[in-house]
Amino acid sequence: KAGVTQTPRYLIKTRGQQVTLSCSPISGHRSVSWYQQTPGQGLQFLFEYFSETQRNKGNFPGRFSGRQFSNSRSEMNVSTLELGDSALYLCASSLVGFGTGNHEQYFGPGTRLTVT
Amino acid sequence: AQKVTQAQTEISVVEKEDVTLDCVYETRDTTYYLFWYKQPPSGELVFLIRRNSFDEQNEISGRYSWNFQKSTSSFNFTITASQVVDSAVYFCALIPGSNYKLTFGKGTLLTVNP
Repeated sequence: KAGVTQTPRYLIKTRGQQVTLSCSPISGHRSVSWYQQTPGQGLQFLFEYFSETQRNKGNFPGRFSGRQFSNSRSEMNVSTLELGDSALYLCASSLVGFGTGNHEQYFGPGTRLTVT
Repeated sequence: AQKVTQAQTEISVVEKEDVTLDCVYETRDTTYYLFWYKQPPSGELVFLIRRNSFDEQNEISGRYSWNFQKSTSSFNFTITASQVVDSAVYFCALIPGSNYKLTFGKGTLLTVNP
């Protein structure tokens, strides 16, 4: 079974631009979460989608948004990029939601975003 | 709010030594899920283990073992007879039963020297 895939793997953008990152979950997984990883802040939760609905959101400004499609693929968008948005953006997929105990998330290789 | 603390920032050992990575967590939820992930230099987070709050049975898997103690809110991870390939950043993480936000600790950089 193919793992979580993320595109692109590397991206260089200029301050003020916007960017869209894509994530394809493991087949059959309906939950997709996004994380930002930086040396200073570590791994921080951005948001989680399940069946096209955002269920949870982290403490990030409104410039960070996402969506999920009917095939569970997800995109994340960052508008008006700032230098501090430079980070590794990780996507993770999970089989099902609450109550089942199957909460482990499987991560993709990430998208390395550099804002200049 | 939940919190995960990995007090050890970096650990360096010589191959074949045993090493224990510490993890202490905080959550108000009575149901929660704990995880360990490994992030090698390639950058991809690799899932190692999940432990549910209602299951305190400790586990051994090959050279890896985990010690979950609710009384001390700890979920420690031990590598027996470490190998150079074990060199990575190890993250402890928590999902409370009331939401689906995975909270990570800051990670422990493990370096295994030959």
